[in-house]
Amino acid sequence: DAGVIQSPRHEVTEMGQEVTLRCKPISGHNSLFWYRQTMMRGLELLIYFNNNVPIDDSGMPEDRFSAKMPNASFSTLKIQPSEPRDSAVYFCASSSQGQASGYTFGSGTRLTVV
Amino acid sequence: GQNIDQPTEMTATEGAIVQINCTYQTSGFNGLFWYQQHAGEAPTFLSYNVLDGLEEKGRFSSFLSRSKGYSYLLLKELQMKDSASYLCAVRGYGQNFVFGPGTRLSVLP
Repeated sequence: DAGVIQSPRHEVTEMGQEVTLRCKPISGHNSLFWYRQTMMRGLELLIYFNNNVPIDDSGMPEDRFSAKMPNASFSTLKIQPSEPRDSAVYFCASSSQGQASGYTFGSGTRLTVV
Repeated sequence: GQNIDQPTEMTATEGAIVQINCTYQTSGFNGLFWYQQHAGEAPTFLSYNVLDGLEEKGRFSSFLSRSKGYSYLLLKELQMKDSASYLCAVRGYGQNFVFGPGTRLSVLP
């Protein structure tokens, strides 16, 4: 089991550029979550999918953020245009329904917008 | 609304016992989880409580009182590698979790 795989691990981009973060969940997990972590705000849920369908996107900061899950093995989080305040670590996590062990997190993408 | 509180920082000595408290007020409850997060790494699952009482797993134990909206994580025989942040998280009726701010634990020799 390779775990939840995120790419890239690090991303440095200039303000105004488009950023795309990628996630491959654990095979067989039917829920996928995107979180953002900063020192000031901790771990915040951005959006989550059940069976590839977005269930709750109320945490998405604004229209600059969008997420897709075209199939059970791939999801993207896109920021366009990026701003310095988007700098954070973005985690993807997956789980199966009712799983007592909770989420399995990916290693995260550290995004820096300059 | 959702609110989860934890102490910001704690310090303890190697070999000692430390208790990290968590209080929560959430609109739904379907389990309380503790995660460990080392600096620069992803959170990893430690424990899960859905019924009142104590769950023990090696050096770590977690307690839950649903009526009081209270949980604690107990770490025994502290080791230097236990220096990390400990996140309390509540799962609502859906699959999403609400995470607390985390408690940064420093274990001193």
